[in-house]
Amino acid sequence: LAKTTQPISMDSYEGQEVNITCSHNNIATNDYITWYQQFPSQGPRFIIQGYKTKVTNEVASLFIPADRKSSTLSLPRVSLSDTAVYYCLVGAPDFGNEKLTFGTGTRLTIIP
Amino acid sequence: DTAVSQTPKYLVTQMGNDKSIKCEQNLGHDTMYWYKQDSKKFLKIMFSYNNKELIINETVPNRFSPKSPDKAHLNLHINSLELGDSAVYFCASSQGPGGQGDTQYFGPGTRLTVL
Repeated sequence: LAKTTQPISMDSYEGQEVNITCSHNNIATNDYITWYQQFPSQGPRFIIQGYKTKVTNEVASLFIPADRKSSTLSLPRVSLSDTAVYYCLVGAPDFGNEKLTFGTGTRLTIIP
Repeated sequence: DTAVSQTPKYLVTQMGNDKSIKCEQNLGHDTMYWYKQDSKKFLKIMFSYNNKELIINETVPNRFSPKSPDKAHLNLHINSLELGDSAVYFCASSQGPGGQGDTQYFGPGTRLTVL
């Protein structure tokens, strides 16, 4: 699993577009990029997955540059209910000794 | 309909006890997982299991053991509980064998408190 790096936290106002970037310099050829959302006291929930270029669903968009060493989750017109921790996961779950499977995540706080 | 369910939601117990957490998925998935989320909210995989292979995180003490009576269930048994075992434990499942493209579906979590 490629180690991922994300900002620890972000704040945004309601109605704005939020972009969260994840760096994964060691991504392997076969690795997909998956983003999960976790609300307090709940399990992570799948948001979006992609391999290259751009993917869009009803919730978010995922932008992946040609070198695939990073990816950006874009949340359009956020609301208070988007306040959560967002995790970037690359490839399969990592069973390595010192690695956090889901990275540190980005704690997004939406301000009214 | 609950896709991945866990019981109990809360578990409070004394050090040294043995306890189990149950997990069931009704998605027809082939692979199930157990994760531990500590007080800093770091998620770390403990086990991955399908009918062919059990993968164990080498950092997990052997006091923890997964038991799968069938494809839809993966229970977590913990022997001789320690204070450091206090955490939230999440069960998850995925359709495939846990490879690069598999999406995982998580249960609601079990908050374990060891006194």
